[in-house]
Amino acid sequence: DARVTQTPRHKVTEMGQEVTMRCQPILGHNTVFWYRQTMMQGLELLAYFRNRAPLDDSGMPKDRFSAEMPDATLATLKIQPSEPRDSAVYFCASGLPAASTDTQYFGPGTRLTVL
Amino acid sequence: GDSVTQMEGPVTLSEEAFLTINCTYTATGYPSLFWYVQYPGEGLQLLLKATKADDKGSNKGFEATYRKETTSFHLEKGSVQVSDSAVYFCALRNQGGKLIFGQGTELSVKP
Repeated sequence: DARVTQTPRHKVTEMGQEVTMRCQPILGHNTVFWYRQTMMQGLELLAYFRNRAPLDDSGMPKDRFSAEMPDATLATLKIQPSEPRDSAVYFCASGLPAASTDTQYFGPGTRLTVL
Repeated sequence: GDSVTQMEGPVTLSEEAFLTINCTYTATGYPSLFWYVQYPGEGLQLLLKATKADDKGSNKGFEATYRKETTSFHLEKGSVQVSDSAVYFCALRNQGGKLIFGQGTELSVKP
């Protein structure tokens, strides 16, 4: 049963520290998405990649957030420096685009708390 | 811009009650429509989808019909169970390939 994996599942850090979240997409999926979920804003798309190239990162604060795909099996989302308002659950999802019917498969999320 | 609006929660029902969660959308063209479910502490899972007008998506007793004339995709289930307690998200896939989510509706089913 193929799944998207994310590490760490929980992260508590102090303001100003660097945070790196990792995602392993389902093998063979060529599209990767990063979402952030908060009570106030709901689910927000931060960035997405196709074939490891960033297609859209307009949802991401550029000054502190960065997203990369060093290879086809790893996507990273980095926050530097972190701030309390970054506290949220960060989800990675992967998929195979096919016309208009592609399905995104979500990982379990990383719950980030910035003190 | 493209958007999805869901009925606000939480929705509290007794076991075996009928469920409807309303969802309407605004989009350019004819987007694919989805319902995702999020169980406590987990990521979102696809529940069902429909890709064109009048299509009905169904899974695990849940159904939703793509209504172009009313731009709606309401989720229904005839008899809910305690295990259906979760947050339900309506979403559309727009022409740019992005999933646009509604704000989510929390469902709580009591025994």
